[in-house]
Amino acid sequence: QSVLTQPPSVSGAPGQRVTISCTGSASNIGRGYDVQWYQQLPGKAPELLIYENNNRPSGVPDRFSGSKSGTTASLAITGLQTDDEADYYCQSYDTRLNAVFGGGTKLTVL
Amino acid sequence: QVQLQESGPGLVKPSETLSLTCTVSDGSISGHYWNWIRQPPGAGLEWIGYIHYTGTPNYNPSLANRVTMSLDTPKNQFSLKLNSVTAADTAVYYCARAYSSTWSWYFDYWGQGALVTVSS
Repeated sequence: QSVLTQPPSVSGAPGQRVTISCTGSASNIGRGYDVQWYQQLPGKAPELLIYENNNRPSGVPDRFSGSKSGTTASLAITGLQTDDEADYYCQSYDTRLNAVFGGGTKLTVL
Repeated sequence: QVQLQESGPGLVKPSETLSLTCTVSDGSISGHYWNWIRQPPGAGLEWIGYIHYTGTPNYNPSLANRVTMSLDTPKNQFSLKLNSVTAADTAVYYCARAYSSTWSWYFDYWGQGALVTVSS
């Protein structure tokens, strides 16, 4: 059972927009701690995709965006591409548990 | 560009100690938090703990009684030891650098991962 809750899977057709939610609690996201998103391509290590809720590292396309409100954060991907097929993880800080992750969401591009 | 590389045995017997080392290249250990994160086959990510560049560790409470992390600054390496392993400790183990601020904690550089299997 992960501290942060994500849907197990989402899907969309090429060109469409999808969103992935990440729900926490008062000891992590709701406390004000920032949310990050990581993309894990099959067989690869996770890579930082969004940091501090809505910032993109250099090289990440602006098709990826993040937001946060209350105890929930969201990752939006527009203009879906087949290369976006991956697992996506949210992550934050928890006052009791330090770094915490969501259970991951598998994105399928139909 | 900072690079991290895990190394260590890929097979450990039950009840023994898992040992991994992470070598940091093209960057200094100083000024950062150095972490271990694991991912069981087909499962999600679990933070194991970190060691600060000053040598101060902090562990996931669920693993704290079995984990030890250490630092070798001259070699730009940090290490993980997990004792009394069982099959549930079978996972890909990643080392990662963390950025920390008042409201933020995230992993900006990751190693490629090392699969460790616990089996007799």
